[in-house]
Amino acid sequence: DGGITQSPKYLFRKEGQNVTLSCEQNLNHDAMYWYRQDPGQGLRLIYYSQIVNDFQKGDIAEGYSVSREKKESFPLTVTSAQKNPTAFYLCASREEETNSPLHFGNGTRLTVT
Amino acid sequence: AQSVAQPEDQVNVAEGNPLTVKCTYSVSGNPYLFWYVQYPNRGLQFLLKYITGDNLVKGSYGFEAEFNKSQTSFHLKKPSALVSDSALYFCAVRGAGYSTLTFGKGTMLLVSP
Repeated sequence: DGGITQSPKYLFRKEGQNVTLSCEQNLNHDAMYWYRQDPGQGLRLIYYSQIVNDFQKGDIAEGYSVSREKKESFPLTVTSAQKNPTAFYLCASREEETNSPLHFGNGTRLTVT
Repeated sequence: AQSVAQPEDQVNVAEGNPLTVKCTYSVSGNPYLFWYVQYPNRGLQFLLKYITGDNLVKGSYGFEAEFNKSQTSFHLKKPSALVSDSALYFCAVRGAGYSTLTFGKGTMLLVSP
């Protein structure tokens, strides 16, 4: 079955450590996205990529970095510069057609203490 | 700028009764509107979208939504609620000239038996 795989489901880190969240899709989608979800705040866009080797900042990119070396993969690194990293992180992808819906992975819950 | 408002944090309805989850939006030009549903600790699932055409859009699981341009609204509806419809619902909008969606903060729907 085609879909988006995010791993791990739960991640625990100490403050000051960088951590990388994995996102892999086998839907052959060109565009991929990272969102952060906090209770009562909805989804906020961190980074997105519309094509391999290119990506753009979203609304809350500070303290995060991404790469897009392969069409299937869009890993997100949460750096020590991110002040409040504890959150639920969602990866999504979309077909090239502009108004196609987003397909989401099941998320990674990151806890930093 | 584009924005979405979901004025109710929570909607309570009895099983078998009709339900409405409200959404209003603000964009420049024509809006492209989406509804998604999220179950606990999962990613978002696409329900339906409005791009153009008929103002009443039908989607998955018996849900529908009505686009009202004069009121800039896109309310989600279902004629008869099920307990299994209990979840978090997100409205999202993309305006002309934007390449990404903006999500509302979500509305928790609770259907009681």
